[in-house]
Order: sequence, then structure tokens, then C-alpha cells
Amino acid sequence: EVQLVESGGGLVQPGRSLRLSCAASGFTFDDYAMHWVRQAPGKGLEWVSGISWNSGSIGYADSVKGRFTISRDNAKNSLYLQMNSLRAEDTALYYCAKGRRGYVSPFDYWGQGTLVTVSS
Amino acid sequence: DIQMTQSPSSLSASVGDRVTITCQASQDISNYLNWYQQKPGKAPKLLIYDASNLETGVPSRFSGSGSGTDFTFTISSLQPEDIATYYCQQYDNLFTFGPGTKVDIK
Repeated sequence: EVQLVESGGGLVQPGRSLRLSCAASGFTFDDYAMHWVRQAPGKGLEWVSGISWNSGSIGYADSVKGRFTISRDNAKNSLYLQMNSLRAEDTALYYCAKGRRGYVSPFDYWGQGTLVTVSS
Repeated sequence: DIQMTQSPSSLSASVGDRVTITCQASQDISNYLNWYQQKPGKAPKLLIYDASNLETGVPSRFSGSGSGTDFTFTISSLQPEDIATYYCQQYDNLFTFGPGTKVDIK
């Protein structure tokens, strides 16, 4: 059974940093692209960042480019999102999602999310 | 950047009704269009990929069609468990979600 478990969320002050993690199991992690998608309270879904199986393809939404860094450790079946210079508008539930095929493909499994709140 | 619009933003229908949601892309995205269902307090779930392909395990009352810039998502007979928000997503150029359509029971 595919499982994606996010962690690392919490309350952080504006301008500070936070690192999210996603632990994957139930599939061959290093065969698939992975993504982060966020959802602000009461709002819709926003793709944040994605990374191919070998980290050869990486993309970011304009809203986080230059502040967030995605990475993965295939030996640990883990995905990460380093978030720097956090802003109030980054407050959201952050989901980890698995690509169905390669980097450019639908997201077929999602975790339950980890909540990031940016506030002083 | 590719922008996605959906209509309506919300709808209320009776059990057994046919429900249709439309999604429009700001430019041609071929069939690189997916549909997700998100129930309250839950993570999104992939229902339809590549515009018209039903994900494994998804009931056949869900369907999708379209290509280019105009797409349609249909629930042929609305069930109480279909109460959710539905999102379209393009993946022709990075990834963009539509604003969502909230479906509830009349």
C-alpha cells in the first residue's frame, strides 16, 4: 500500500525557515517523480514544486522560486522541502504527492498534509 | 503561465442527477488534463487522467472529455458520497489547478 507521510510543519515567524519531510513507502520510490502541493485555509490547490526520480528535473511555482528548495534522498525514500524567507501567504497545508509516471504526469497518491503557519 | 478556469464555482443537485463541470485552459494543453476529488478534511484523489481516462478503482459514473482548451467532467448519477470539491489540473506546462467546483446535495 502506498503511503506518504508528511512532517515538519508548525508555527514559524515571518522571515524564518522550515524544512518539510515526506516519508514514502509501498512503492519503489526512486522510480517516480514527487511533488509538493499546498492549500491555504479555505482555498484551492496550488502546485509548489516537483522533482524527477533522479533529481534531474526540478520545477517551482513562481510564488516560491528563489525561496524554496526541493530535494530527495532515494536511499531514505524521502522527499524534502526547504522553505526560507517564509511569508504570511505561505501559510497552508502542504501535501506530498507522487507522480503517476515521469516528472510530467498526474499525481496519483497524496499524503494527508502537514500544516505550516507563518505568523508573528 | 497557463491559467485554468472552472464553472460553476459551486452547484447543488439532487441524488441521481447528472452533474457537469467545465474547465477551460488559457491555451491549448492537448489532453494533459486531470480531475481530482477532494472531500472535506481529506487529501485530493485522482479520478480522471489525460482528460478522459478513469483511474483504477474509480466508479464508472465519473467521466471526462475534451481536448485543447475545453474540458468537461461529468457525474452521471450523483451519489451522497460524491459531495466534494472537484479540481481540474493541467500538466502541459508545469502544473496548474483550476479554482475548484464545490458540489453538494440539494
